[in-house]
This record gives sequence, structure tokens and C-alpha cells, in this order.
Amino acid sequence: RKEVEQDPGPFNVPEGATVAFNCTYSNSASQSFFWYRQDCRKEPKLLMSVYSSGNEDGRFTAQLNRASQYISLLIRDSKLSDSATYLCVVNDMRFGAGTRLTVKP
Amino acid sequence: NAGVTQTPKFQVLKTGQSMTLQCAQDMNHNSMYWYRQDPGMGLRLIYYSASEGTTDKGEVPNGYNVSRLNKREFSLRLESAAPSQTSVYFCASSDAQGPWEQYFGPGTRLTVT
Repeated sequence: RKEVEQDPGPFNVPEGATVAFNCTYSNSASQSFFWYRQDCRKEPKLLMSVYSSGNEDGRFTAQLNRASQYISLLIRDSKLSDSATYLCVVNDMRFGAGTRLTVKP
Repeated sequence: NAGVTQTPKFQVLKTGQSMTLQCAQDMNHNSMYWYRQDPGMGLRLIYYSASEGTTDKGEVPNGYNVSRLNKREFSLRLESAAPSQTSVYFCASSDAQGPWEQYFGPGTRLTVT
């Protein structure tokens, strides 16, 4: 089993939709969790950290479920500009393969 | 403030050739990383340097060597390139090894024929 696993997608959603991604991790001792965004042929950039209590940044909500060993990212009111690949990161250096999102008009 | 810079942006090598990928950061970060990204595989850590003077192997170190030249620069060397090393290589830096944001360079697209 891979240490960090994501559904590769692609997720194709209409503008305004709500979409959620999950990311599972195998190491129960993992301490830090992040979501990065990567645009086509560009470098990854931090989207948000994931805290134990969950956190929200505008239309984006990240949550951690330690019991089931997964983190989630919820995007509300999707915009065309949200089209990208979303990478989860566990313990700083373990990246998931990414989930591709396309938001359509 | 350029952030993280990488050179070259593109490179084509023949099997067996060697080359060094250069990375520099101007954010006074302690930690630096080299990743490779292949389709469907995500980013995989090759080597990292927690601080100047130290380097450690990551998930896929075979076929690579690194040098932390000083606090700013971290280079990745392919001694004898193989087609399996065709990939996009990203360098990153962070303030310290730990749960801190990593800043990535623009990447080097390497093709080995």
C-alpha cells in the first residue's frame, strides 16, 4: 500500500458545484498534513495546512480524520480558476499522486 | 526576491551522459529538497538537506548525488543518465525541517534518450 493515496480523478464539475477530495495515509504516527495546488506544467504551491480541529479558508475547508487516517478538502462554489491538480502532503515530504479537478462553465 | 530558482529549465541527455541540476533560494531557508515528478506518481523525494552541511536520502535516491554547497544552493547530479530518469525535477526549500510550507522552483524538464 502506498504511504499516501489519492483518487486521481479527473473530477469534472460545473461552475458553482461543491466538490470534495479525500487522501488516505498509512502511517498512523503522521503529524503534519497539507494540501498543495499545482497548475498544469507549474510548480506546486501551498493551498492550506490541515489542522486537527479542521480549518477553513474562504471557499476551502480541510479536515483531518485520524481514526480513519484520511484528510479531506472541500471546495464550495467552484470557480473556473479552481481547475488544477490538488496534492495532499503528509509529514512534509510524502506527496500523494494528486487529484485533477476541471471546473466547466 | 526570486524565491527558488532552478537551472536549466529543459535538458535532453543521451544515456550515459552526466549533468548537474542547480537550485538556489534567497529566502534564508535551512532546509532544501529535490523531488522528481512522473505522470501518475506524484512527487517523490530524491534527497533532502535539513541544514547546511547535511544531506539525507529520500524515497528514490538511486542514480543521484547531491551537494549542499552553502545555505543557498543545493545541486543534484546524475552521474550516468538512464531513460528511467526522464522526469520533471523540482527543487524546494522550507524554513526548517518540520511542518513548514515548502516553496518550489519552476522545475527542470529532463529527457534521457
